Amino acid sequence: AQTVTQSQPEMSVQEAETVTLSCTYDTSESNYYLFWYKQPPSRQMILVIRQEAYKQQNATENRFSVNFQKAAKSFSLKISDSQLGDTAMYFCAFMSPFEGANSKLTFGKGITLSVRP
Amino acid sequence: NAGVMQNPRHLVRRRGQEARLRCSPMKGHSHVYWYRQLPEEGLKFMVYLQKENIIDESGMPKERFSAEFPKEGPSILRIQQVVRGDSAAYFCASSPNGGSYEQYFGPGTRLTVT
Repeated sequence: AQTVTQSQPEMSVQEAETVTLSCTYDTSESNYYLFWYKQPPSRQMILVIRQEAYKQQNATENRFSVNFQKAAKSFSLKISDSQLGDTAMYFCAFMSPFEGANSKLTFGKGITLSVRP
Repeated sequence: NAGVMQNPRHLVRRRGQEARLRCSPMKGHSHVYWYRQLPEEGLKFMVYLQKENIIDESGMPKERFSAEFPKEGPSILRIQQVVRGDSAAYFCASSPNGGSYEQYFGPGTRLTVT
C-alpha cells in the first residue's frame, strides 16, 4: 500500500517571499502520478500541480513548481512570490493509475500555510 | 460545462438518523470516487463506483455505510444510524474513465452529527 507523509503541520511565509512544502511517499510502483492540492477555507479541493513519475522534468505552473526526486521518493512544492490568497491547507497526493482500474488518490495529512501581509 | 455538484452542502443529523449525500458528476463522466475528510486530516478514499457498479469499496466502513451510482441520477452515499464520529466533510470526485489521472472534485458536504 502507498503512503504519503507530510511531516510539517504548519508553515508561515511573508508575502512576496518563497516557501517550500515537503512531502515524501512510499510505493513499490514504478509508474504513478503525484499531485499537490490546495484547500482554502471554502474547503473546495483545487488542483495546484501534477507530476508524472516517468517524466524527469519538474512540473511548473506559474508561481508553483515542484522538486521531484524519484529515488528519494520526495515531492516538494515551491511557491514563489507568495500571495495572501495562497493561505490554505496544502495536500500532497499519490495515484497509481491502471487502465480500467481504481485510480484512487492517497493523501497526506496536509500542511497549513499562512501568508503574512 | 458544470462542475461536480454535491448536495446538500451542509447537513445536520441527530444520532441515529440517516444521512444521504448526493453527487452529480461532470457531464460525460461515468466514474465517481467518494472521500471522507475528518477534522484536521487529509482525505481518505471510501469507495469507487461506475454506473450501476461498485468497483472498490475497500475504504468504506463495513456497517451503516453504503453507496450507489444508478444508471440515471446522482451517486448517493448513505449513512444509516449516524454517530458523532461520522461528522466530517465528504467529497466526491468524478473521472471520465477508469485509469485516468483526472479527478474533478465537488465542493463537499459537511455532515454534523449532534
